[in-house]
This record gives sequence, structure tokens and C-alpha cells, in this order.
Amino acid sequence: QLQLVESGGGLVKPGGSLRLSCAASGFTFSDYDMTWIRQAPGKGLEWISYISSRGDVIYYADSVEGRFTISRDNTENSLYLQLNSLRAEDTAVFYCARDRSGYFYYGLDVWGQGTTVTVSS
Amino acid sequence: QSVLTQPPSASGTPGQRVTISCSGSTSNIGSNAVNWYQQLPGAAPKLLIYSNNQRPSGVPDRFSGSKSGTSASLAISGLQSEDEADYYCAAWDDSLNGRGVFGGGTKLTVL
Repeated sequence: QLQLVESGGGLVKPGGSLRLSCAASGFTFSDYDMTWIRQAPGKGLEWISYISSRGDVIYYADSVEGRFTISRDNTENSLYLQLNSLRAEDTAVFYCARDRSGYFYYGLDVWGQGTTVTVSS
Repeated sequence: QSVLTQPPSASGTPGQRVTISCSGSTSNIGSNAVNWYQQLPGAAPKLLIYSNNQRPSGVPDRFSGSKSGTSASLAISGLQSEDEADYYCAAWDDSLNGRGVFGGGTKLTVL
């Protein structure tokens, strides 16, 4: 079945780094654009970053531009998010999601279960 | 403050029809497709409506979406207790080199 499984979350001090991974299965990963979304405790969804199927088009939210880096390895069926210079306000559940066509046209149709990042001293 | 504006809460009784609004601008809803997501407590979001008014396979036809200009709406008819959840609208935004934007979410309570 279609599945996305995130990993790599944890507790990190302000200014620290983490690398999140998202393992895809059940579909041809290289055919799909991918997105990272986060949700702070008790808050709504926030779009973080987008990467095209070949990795040649990338977008970031202003709130993470210059600190987070999205990448993918189509040979490993994996999506990544490198988080640097972490701040307390980055504390959130991070979800990876499949973007069926790019630019939300057909929506984010497969989501992972999320991985929790906590930034605290 | 979210780029797309939703009411923070909505409510209805079983069997009733409720609508949730989502207001945006020409750079997002006005020029791109709108999606709606349902998030049950403790769960990941689930795609409910895509391309303004299309339902993914498995989503009951009690859920419907519409768009007019820079606003969109989600309607739920025949309200059921299991519909109690948070609902989010989303769209691509063509400003600032491109970005995804979400509404702040609407918590639907079934009375």
C-alpha cells in the first residue's frame, strides 16, 4: 500500500541541527513531487518546502529559507529535510506528503504519520 | 496569521449541513486550485477535496467543495459524529517565488 514513513525527529538544543528522512513505498517515488509540512503544538498546518520529482525545482517558506534544505534520493525512494540553526519556534510535528501533480493542483494525497522535533535547552 | 482565512470554529447537529469558508487573494485561490484536508484528533491530515471540487476515491459524497473568485467553501451534508475534526483549506500561492499556503483551520464540533 501507499506509505510514507518519517524518521529522524528528536530533542535538540537551540542552534542545533537534525536531518529528517521520509521513506516511500508502494508507488514509484521518482514520479512524484514531494512536500514537507509542519504543525506546531496546538497550531495549524504550515507548508515548509517543495521539491519536484527530479529534484530540480525547490521552494521554501520564508520562515525556513536559508536554514532548512530539502533533498531527495530517487534511487533510495527517500525524501530528506536538513534542519540547521534550529529555534524554539521550529518545535513541531513534521509531515512529508506526496504532491500528485505539483503546486497542490491534485492535492497532497499521501501523508506520513509525522516525526516530532523539539527544540529546547 | 495565515494567508488563507478560515473561521476558527463551526458546529452543527447530526444530519445538518454545515459550510466552512476559506478566503484568499488573486495570487492563491484566485489563480490556483483549492484543496481541503480533514485532520482527526491525533492523526495526520487526509486529503478531502482537490482541484476545488473533486473528491479522492473513498471520500463520501457528503463532502463537497466549491470556489468563486478568491474564496472557497467546503460543505458537509448529513453531518455525522465522526466528522468532528479540524478542516484546513490550502492552495499554491504565486507570490514570493511560489509557496504553499494553508488556512488557519476550522474546528468542527458535532453537537
